[in-house]
Amino acid sequence: EIVLTQSPATLSLSPGERATLSCRASQSVRSYLGWYQQKPGQAPRLLIHDASNRATGIPARFSGSGSGTDFTLTISSIEPEDSAVYYCQQRSTGWTFGQGTKVEIK
Amino acid sequence: QLQLQESGPGLVKPSETLSLTCTVSGGSITNTAYYWGWIRQPPGKGLEWIGNFFDGRNPYYNPSLKNRVTISADTSNNQFSLRLTSLSAADTAVYYCARDSFAFDIWGQGTLVTVSS
Repeated sequence: EIVLTQSPATLSLSPGERATLSCRASQSVRSYLGWYQQKPGQAPRLLIHDASNRATGIPARFSGSGSGTDFTLTISSIEPEDSAVYYCQQRSTGWTFGQGTKVEIK
Repeated sequence: QLQLQESGPGLVKPSETLSLTCTVSGGSITNTAYYWGWIRQPPGKGLEWIGNFFDGRNPYYNPSLKNRVTISADTSNNQFSLRLTSLSAADTAVYYCARDSFAFDIWGQGTLVTVSS
């Protein structure tokens, strides 16, 4: 089973700052990695698929990069509504999720 | 527009079997462009993939649940189902169904299942 490890566990930023979230896979997942945003009481929302492709309707401030075992989700200028938990997920071998990064806005 | 809706009991007793149904509207589960899957989330915890199926082929299951889980499709009603046996308190979670194209791009709202006597 491929294990995804996300860091940091929590990120606290002020509006306008840049957020950098990391996801590391225990073995290569090629580019088969997605990112999701989940707010309290809501289902997750797909942000990025295949490492770097924004999903429909996702603002341009969200971007993804990486391949193989190391991936990054960047929020270029964070806004108050970006307060949420962010998960990565691979579909290269089976399907697994990372444990999540909580983003807090100061 | 495609929508998914989970349905099933909110409370199940330990050792019993959970059966949930996902009803899909606005699209067909026989569309070979997509997988369809189940994901769960224990209260206050992260997401756990349960299993996926594709075009009536043998489903794929999370190895940690494989001995207890069955996913099946009812194409006549455009639904797919989850069956989870031998429940314990650790199975208490919000259960989501979702469409998987290049990722889980469309989700149901989720249904809370509590395992308790």
